[in-house]
Amino acid sequence: SAVISQKPSRDICQRGTSLTIQCQVDSQVTMMFWYRQQPGQSLTLIATANQGSEATYESGFVIDKFPISRPNLTFSTLTVSNMSPEDSSIYLCSVEAYRGRGYTFGSGTRLTVV
Amino acid sequence: ELKVEQNPLFLSMQEGKNYTIYCNYSTTSDRLYWYRQDPGKSLESLFVLLSNGAVKQEGRLMASLDTKARLSTLHITAAVHDLSATYFCAVALPRMETSGSRLTFGEGTQLTVNP
Repeated sequence: SAVISQKPSRDICQRGTSLTIQCQVDSQVTMMFWYRQQPGQSLTLIATANQGSEATYESGFVIDKFPISRPNLTFSTLTVSNMSPEDSSIYLCSVEAYRGRGYTFGSGTRLTVV
Repeated sequence: ELKVEQNPLFLSMQEGKNYTIYCNYSTTSDRLYWYRQDPGKSLESLFVLLSNGAVKQEGRLMASLDTKARLSTLHITAAVHDLSATYFCAVALPRMETSGSRLTFGEGTQLTVNP
């Protein structure tokens, strides 16, 4: 199955700043998914990134706050913009291993906003 | 909107005992996944269940899927301390052209196995 390298693994950021998270996959994938996991909570899908088109955002998430890039079939970035303490979460990227056979997750980025 | 409910949310059990975690979901789907998450770590895939009646076993864990009842179970046999973690089920919505096949996660079951 695919191997995902996600970075940074953690960061502490000042409110009002932005952080860009990167995910690199060792094989070409059509879709990449970005999730947020707030402290003690489950995972919530932020958006789906399809190479060559704009990301599709879930209800409650907007492009201005979470811009996503998908320049090729192995790489994607998620930016958390104008951060506030409420953005403190773990952010994970994910890909479908191969059709219908499960999803692989990156190691996650633990973000703390102070 | 797809809803996925797990119960129990917290489970404290003794080593050697058996228990079952339940995952109910609200919309038709024939793809369900179980994951394990250790504190501070990412998700580790445990089981992929792709059809009604699917049963998978790995060590002390066994997962099953009943698509008609929209129910999956994760059964723990003779629990050991190493199984302490949070377990998530996730259900895949039908594949869409622009957004692929999205996962909706249950709330998670925090399992603690005591000596």
